[in-house]
Amino acid sequence: DAGVTQSPTHLIKTRGQQVTLRCSPKSGHDTVSWYQQALGQGPQFIFQYYEEEERQRGNFPDRFSGHQFPNYSSELNVNALLLGDSALYLCASSRGDRGAETQYFGPGTRLLVL
Amino acid sequence: GESVGLHLPTLSVQEGDNSIINCAYSNSASDYFIWYKQESGKGPQFIIDIRSNMDKRQGQRVTVLLNKTVKHLSLQIAATQPGDSAVYFCAETYPYTGRRALTFGSGTRLQVQP
Repeated sequence: DAGVTQSPTHLIKTRGQQVTLRCSPKSGHDTVSWYQQALGQGPQFIFQYYEEEERQRGNFPDRFSGHQFPNYSSELNVNALLLGDSALYLCASSRGDRGAETQYFGPGTRLLVL
Repeated sequence: GESVGLHLPTLSVQEGDNSIINCAYSNSASDYFIWYKQESGKGPQFIIDIRSNMDKRQGQRVTVLLNKTVKHLSLQIAATQPGDSAVYFCAETYPYTGRRALTFGSGTRLQVQP
């Protein structure tokens, strides 16, 4: 049973560039959530996708956007990168849209913006 | 917005002892709580969850206690092992986000001394 996978594992970008991160959910899961984790802090919710639509969004600017594909995998896009975007980006998958379902996390993508 | 907080940033215990990690939450509307373990360089790993209609839930070597009166959550780990060394986060969800977004605290680092 494959768990949540994310790619790439590490990424280095410069300010102003754009980045795309990818996530495949756990087998049997159809909902994907994205979180940003700054060093030494807890993860912060960016948004959640279900049925290829953004269902909930956290307090992040429009530079952060996403997409979910018919096979439930998802992408996180960040435009006009800032130094403060350097963080671990985590994808979590769950089942259904009823809420309060256990979210299982992937290993994350470490993004460094120079 | 409101967030989950933790009392102790670092907890050091001897191998074989029991560990108790505490968490205070401020949102009285929260009705689903999860404990995650995060090892260095990895994504958060689900440990145990509890819904607000319960006071206690047990897993393998772990017990979560919920006190809604004082808005307090605790994770008890029995017979702590070196492999339990990690950062532990409690997370909550509340109805007005559709219970989709997890709100994390800043974490407690558990150090197990051999």
